[in-house]
Amino acid sequence: TQLLEQSPQFLSIQEGENLTVYCNSSSVFSSLQWYRQEPGEGPVLLVTVVTGGEVKKLKRLTFQFGDARKDSSLHITAAQPGDTGLYLCAGPPMTTDSWGKLQFGAGTQVVVTP
Amino acid sequence: EAQVTQNPRYLITVTGKKLTVTCSQNMNHEYMSWYRQDPGLGLRQIYYSMNVEVTDKGDVPEGYKVSRKEKRNFPLILESPSPNQTSLYFCASSFRGGNTEAFFGQGTRLTVV
Repeated sequence: TQLLEQSPQFLSIQEGENLTVYCNSSSVFSSLQWYRQEPGEGPVLLVTVVTGGEVKKLKRLTFQFGDARKDSSLHITAAQPGDTGLYLCAGPPMTTDSWGKLQFGAGTQVVVTP
Repeated sequence: EAQVTQNPRYLITVTGKKLTVTCSQNMNHEYMSWYRQDPGLGLRQIYYSMNVEVTDKGDVPEGYKVSRKEKRNFPLILESPSPNQTSLYFCASSFRGGNTEAFFGQGTRLTVV
């Protein structure tokens, strides 16, 4: 059972459109991270959100951490082909024995066509 | 250049033949971990290590062994590989685990026939 559920699993859009990827859990997380992975490569960190309700912006990418620290979203404005990749959310669950366990969602494959 | 290096990148082996995938980091990170990535399942943690000589099981440790004798190295050992261990494996390191940034290697694609 996946602790972090991502939706949708796959997203195909045209260049210039907006998109939102969701990451949900029934568990509380001390923080959540978003990574992007390209074919043949390991994931690369985009952002870490730490405070409930926090919003972080990275150029055209906006990340939000839910007030209850159980969910997060990634919104991309005016998507470009370079945004194509597998987007993964991850985080350490807030239990005493889980500090070392970084849980990942299954990922959302985003394809942006010109 | 700060990096996590895995070897080999590709490996095809037969059932039951012991193998080791090496992982080395040059960032003096305390925390290292191994993941496997399978379609539709995302990254699942196999083992992690908070420091030298300290290792612990992740979510899918069965069939794998690890050791952390030096800070920079964290090899993954498959004593008797089986076809269900065919997967893409990633090693990662971070300063201290938790919510610190994880740096990943380029992956090892393992096929067990």
